[in-house]
Amino acid sequence: GQNIDQPTEMTATEGAIVQINCTYQTSGFNGLFWYQQHAGEAPTFLSYNVLDGLEEKGRFSSFLSRSKGYSYLLLKELQMKDSASYLCAVAGGGNKLTFGTGTQLKVEL
Amino acid sequence: DVKVTQSSRYLVKRTGEKVFLECVQDMDHENMFWYRQDPGLGLRLIYFSYDVKMKEKGDIPEGYSVSREKKERFSLILESASTNQTSMYLCASRTGTGGYEQYFGPGTRLTVT
Repeated sequence: GQNIDQPTEMTATEGAIVQINCTYQTSGFNGLFWYQQHAGEAPTFLSYNVLDGLEEKGRFSSFLSRSKGYSYLLLKELQMKDSASYLCAVAGGGNKLTFGTGTQLKVEL
Repeated sequence: DVKVTQSSRYLVKRTGEKVFLECVQDMDHENMFWYRQDPGLGLRLIYFSYDVKMKEKGDIPEGYSVSREKKERFSLILESASTNQTSMYLCASRTGTGGYEQYFGPGTRLTVT
């Protein structure tokens, strides 16, 4: 089976850096995704890691350690518009993604 | 850009009604998915399809069925809606080759009274 854990809520200050962690136990591993979801909207793709290490994309970076079953999403220079839910999802065997319950990030002034 | 559309953003139905939720994608994707999203439970997979007329159960298929008669269209059917099926329903699609990235539609918020 699949089990994915991430914090329920986080609060950070505009301009700061925040790290959202995700741990997983899965049968089969074909990569880890991060999605962003604003309230009332569909999830949108942020990043994909299949090999260990850091993937950087502008203000957002994502890290993966397969041996530890661990990933994090790093958001730099936080903006108010980054207030959203961040979903960690693992591609296991077959076609499926298994999602964590999401981390609600609140960015404050 | 990939576009996934869903037939309704908001829907209100009565208990016992048959409900159809439609999803259409325009990128010739082989795989399509139906999820429901509930507070504290995250996204849970109901059914998915990897080809026309093919379907597989996800994690919570009870009370639902699906139909995929054309590649671009994937329908979710609630045979007899119940109040515990009040939820946000999200459709997604992805290509059958290459990455696992899924593209989501805007969602349908279904309320069953």
